[in-house]
Amino acid sequence: AQSVAQPEDQVNVAEGNPLTVKCTYSVSGNPYLFWYVQYPNRGLQFLLKYITGDNLVKGSYGFEAEFNKSQTSFHLKKPSALVSDSALYFCAVRDLDNQGGKLIFGQGTELSVKP
Amino acid sequence: GAVVSQHPSRVICKSGTSVKIECRSLDFQATTMFWYRQFPKQSLMLMATSNEGSKATYEQGVEKDKFLINHASLTLSTLTVTSAHPEDSSFYICSARDLQGWGTEAFFGQGTRLTVV
Repeated sequence: AQSVAQPEDQVNVAEGNPLTVKCTYSVSGNPYLFWYVQYPNRGLQFLLKYITGDNLVKGSYGFEAEFNKSQTSFHLKKPSALVSDSALYFCAVRDLDNQGGKLIFGQGTELSVKP
Repeated sequence: GAVVSQHPSRVICKSGTSVKIECRSLDFQATTMFWYRQFPKQSLMLMATSNEGSKATYEQGVEKDKFLINHASLTLSTLTVTSAHPEDSSFYICSARDLQGWGTEAFFGQGTRLTVV
């Protein structure tokens, strides 16, 4: 069975500082990992994904994530946070046991960037 | 990225009435769409997987007679909340993928805020 965990409910950073939103995963095969962002009363926006290849994945809005197989982690990072990055972030893994390929989401991490 | 349009974005209905929510893939064909429910500041709860031309697959604990799903074409899936009650008030989100294969990302609609009074 596939699962993801986001150990932090909330992350607070100052504008201009680097940010990290943590995600760990558990899969029974090759992991297909995704990050999404959700602004209030909106759907989810795709940020980036890891399928195979380079462990460092670059995505939208300056975000990147590092796939670490030994630590089973896929942390989301950004070198310099913006106030506009404040939102709810979800890590997800594809359920390889599901014919439709549904995504399994973490519980979400609320990122707050203060000026 | 691909566009998924969800309508309406907000709806208020009286208890006992039914509400239909539409989810359209605007620039791709989606053989599979997913319907989620989300409570404030919580994760998404998958309700059902909508398959074009066949019956939806519901997650455990989701009443299929209450949450009717129809996926009549490759670009449209609908969720009907029948005999709505205040406890059905929630944020409903749909998503779709445009290709088969495990590596493709899903795209999400903008969500529907349902309030049952």
